[in-house]
Amino acid sequence: GENVEQHPSTLSVQEGDSAVIKCTYSDSASNYFPWYKQELGKRPQLIIDIRSNVGEKKDQRIAVTLNKTAKHFSLHITETQPEDSAVYFCAASINSGNTPLVFGKGTRLSVIA
Amino acid sequence: GAVVSQHPSRVICKSGTSVKIECRSLDFQATTMFWYRQFPKKSLMLMATSNEGSKATYEQGVEKDKFLINHASLTLSTLTVTSAHPEDSSFYICSAREQGNEQFFGPGTRLTVL
Repeated sequence: GENVEQHPSTLSVQEGDSAVIKCTYSDSASNYFPWYKQELGKRPQLIIDIRSNVGEKKDQRIAVTLNKTAKHFSLHITETQPEDSAVYFCAASINSGNTPLVFGKGTRLSVIA
Repeated sequence: GAVVSQHPSRVICKSGTSVKIECRSLDFQATTMFWYRQFPKKSLMLMATSNEGSKATYEQGVEKDKFLINHASLTLSTLTVTSAHPEDSSFYICSAREQGNEQFFGPGTRLTVL
């Protein structure tokens, strides 16, 4: 089955700097790669996703890149703000209705004001 | 986006009792729902895939007789933790995918077993 590795496990950046979180996956059949932000005690919230037919996607300060050959994808947050502090999870799956997401272990991002 | 509700949000029970958690898709039909468990400072671990009208598919290491799943309709799946023990204390989250796209999560249920 699918295995998703995520690095780093913790990341501290100064406000205004960029943050990068990287994930690798094992199943070449996976074609859907979402990123979730989870605040303490809350449900994961989708912040951006990418499908295997594109290499990059951007939404304001957030971007995701995908390298299908190397089977890795990354989350980039620019101009970080204190409210970006949370745990971020990457995930991978085959894009069908009955296939669950497999999550990475998470990255705790701290943005220092 | 689609909405998934979960009830209760928090439950405290004595060891040995059973606890039922409900997961509902409010504005779409979900033939498949997923149950995850999240321990403190850990990732979401898939417990089982709940299929409407058929038996759930459990992940390796998850006891199907302890974590009973019923998906009786296209909008409701229930997870019953039977004979709960302190080690079952965790954050349980359900989710559903709408037509193979975004996976929507319920708000989660924090279970504390004394």
